[in-house]
Amino acid sequence: QKEVEQDPGPLSVPEGAIVSLNCTYSNSAFQYFMWYRQYSRKGPELLMYTYSSGNKEDGRFTAQVDKSSKYISLFIRDSQPSDSATYLCAVGDSNTGNQFYFGTGTSLTVIP
Amino acid sequence: ETGVTQSPTHLIKTRGQQVTLRCSSQSGHNTVSWYQQALGQGPQFIFQYYREEENGRGNFPPRFSGLQFPNYSSELNVNALELDDSALYLCASSLAGRVLAHYGYTFGSGTRLTVV
Repeated sequence: QKEVEQDPGPLSVPEGAIVSLNCTYSNSAFQYFMWYRQYSRKGPELLMYTYSSGNKEDGRFTAQVDKSSKYISLFIRDSQPSDSATYLCAVGDSNTGNQFYFGTGTSLTVIP
Repeated sequence: ETGVTQSPTHLIKTRGQQVTLRCSSQSGHNTVSWYQQALGQGPQFIFQYYREEENGRGNFPPRFSGLQFPNYSSELNVNALELDDSALYLCASSLAGRVLAHYGYTFGSGTRLTVV
């Protein structure tokens, strides 16, 4: 079983839509939950970081962690064409050798 | 403040050859992690270096090796290249020590390695 599963999409939405991206993870010991955005031919850039459970909001982005169901989500409000990218979830724990486990990424296209 | 820089950006090697990829950490970061990202996949952890010592390793064979230098820059070496080694190799720096960072990583743009 993979440490984290993510629907690869692709996902295509009209500009202004609310986007929901999701991942599930297997190990209840994970405490660090991250979302990265990766543009074509670039390295991933950190969007949101959450420790333990709960919600975190940053502008148009909201990250949610539900540890009871091992489910993490990223919501993008008022999506823009510049949000078109691949979104990667990542999980980690201080006991797992200092590594993050990444999902396969969801490809998002926001159509003007 | 400079970000993470990797070189070269692209590389083509023949099966069986050896390759060295280089990474300069973001200013002030003391930890470097290397990831392999195959096409259409998420990054997979290769190993991490902290204070010039390996600080964790993923499920990669010994022909993947690394170094970290006193200025925190790093190298990834791969011997006896195989076709499946074709991937984007990402270097990430952070302020983490032995405890996982509370800040996440800063990734470089990667080196695209093609093995033919």
